[in-house]
Amino acid sequence: AQRVTQPEKLLSVFKGAPVELKCNYSYSGSPELFWYVQYSRQRLQLLLRHISRESIKGFTADLNKGETSFHLKKPFAQEEDSAMYYCALLTGRRALTFGSGTRLQVQP
Amino acid sequence: DAGITQSPRYKITETGRQVTLMCHQTWSHSYMFWYRQDLGHGLRLIYYSAAADITDKGEVPDGYVVSRSKTENFPLTLESATRSQTSVYFCASSEQGTDTQYFGPGTRLTVL
Repeated sequence: AQRVTQPEKLLSVFKGAPVELKCNYSYSGSPELFWYVQYSRQRLQLLLRHISRESIKGFTADLNKGETSFHLKKPFAQEEDSAMYYCALLTGRRALTFGSGTRLQVQP
Repeated sequence: DAGITQSPRYKITETGRQVTLMCHQTWSHSYMFWYRQDLGHGLRLIYYSAAADITDKGEVPDGYVVSRSKTENFPLTLESATRSQTSVYFCASSEQGTDTQYFGPGTRLTVL
């Protein structure tokens, strides 16, 4: 069965510090992984997907199949990055399996 | 994304009552999903639908019923609400052939 693990419930950093939100997965097939973000009082929305290998709002994430990880990184955190971040795995039936989420707090 | 809406946004009900949460999308997306969000669990899939009249169970379907007679609507019914169903419920949709899901604003349900 598929599983997504986000070991940190809360990550607190200062503005300008690097950020790394951890995500590990377990899946027997070829994984398709995503990061979704939920800002305060806003809807859950897609941040980035591993297939596109893009950088969104300064965030990047690399799929490491050997370590079964998909960590989200940003070199310099901004206050507006404060939000709840969810790592998610797409299953064969096109639904998402989510991790439990990490709340990122960027302090001034 | 006003294209996917949920109603009501907040609901308080009592144990044993039937409750229906509504989800409506204007994009004609084929896929629709219901998730519940609980502290420590993230979002878990309740039911999903690949098209009108095609539905299937997700990870936590017990106590819930869905229907999809029209592409744009995907109501979720709690047949006899229990306190363990107190949660925030999110509806989402995605277009066939794509992997991006678009989420509604959520319904916060409290079962007393």
